[in-house]
Amino acid sequence: DGGITQSPKYLFRKEGQNVTLSCEQNLNHDAMYWYRQDPGQGLRLIYYSQIVNDFQKGDIAEGYSVSREKKESFPLTVTSAQKNPTAFYLCASSIGDPGGSYEQYFGPGTRLTVT
Amino acid sequence: AQSVTQLDSHVSVSEGTPVLLRCNYSSSYSPSLFWYVQHPNKGLQLLLKYTSAATLVKGINGFEAEFKKSETSFHLTKPSAHMSDAAEYFCVVSSNTGNQFYFGTGTSLTVIP
Repeated sequence: DGGITQSPKYLFRKEGQNVTLSCEQNLNHDAMYWYRQDPGQGLRLIYYSQIVNDFQKGDIAEGYSVSREKKESFPLTVTSAQKNPTAFYLCASSIGDPGGSYEQYFGPGTRLTVT
Repeated sequence: AQSVTQLDSHVSVSEGTPVLLRCNYSSSYSPSLFWYVQHPNKGLQLLLKYTSAATLVKGINGFEAEFKKSETSFHLTKPSAHMSDAAEYFCVVSSNTGNQFYFGTGTSLTVIP
């Protein structure tokens, strides 16, 4: 089955600790994305990557970091600098064509709770 | 610049009655538009997409949407609501470079038995 996997589904951390969320896709998509979702709000873009070894900041990149060493993988690190990290995190991928006509595919999400 | 406005944050309908979820967009070019559904604590699933072909787009689970350029709208409809339709719905527009997607704030659909 082709798709996107995120692990773990639930993650608990103490304040001040860095934590890395996993995102893997086997769709052969070039573009990958990380979003944050808070209750009652839409999705806000954290980072995106159009190609291996390249990534761009989204609207709320402060306190987060990413890497894109392989086409299939786009891990997100939530650092201790992120002031309010508790949220639902969604990873997505897309073919990434210039016309923008191809949709995003989403993973099941990781719910991060920091206390 | 691209943006999406979902006109209703909450919609309640009775089971078996029609569903209308409203979406207006702003775009400086001919956009691609999408509707996604999200059930609690799940990822988003594509319902349908418009990519400059037919203006009436049919999607999964009986949903459809009509692209109206003159009204800059892309409203989502379904003739008869089912209990399983209760979820959060997002309207999305893509950038003209295809590398970014702009989300509305979502509409929560409640279906009353």
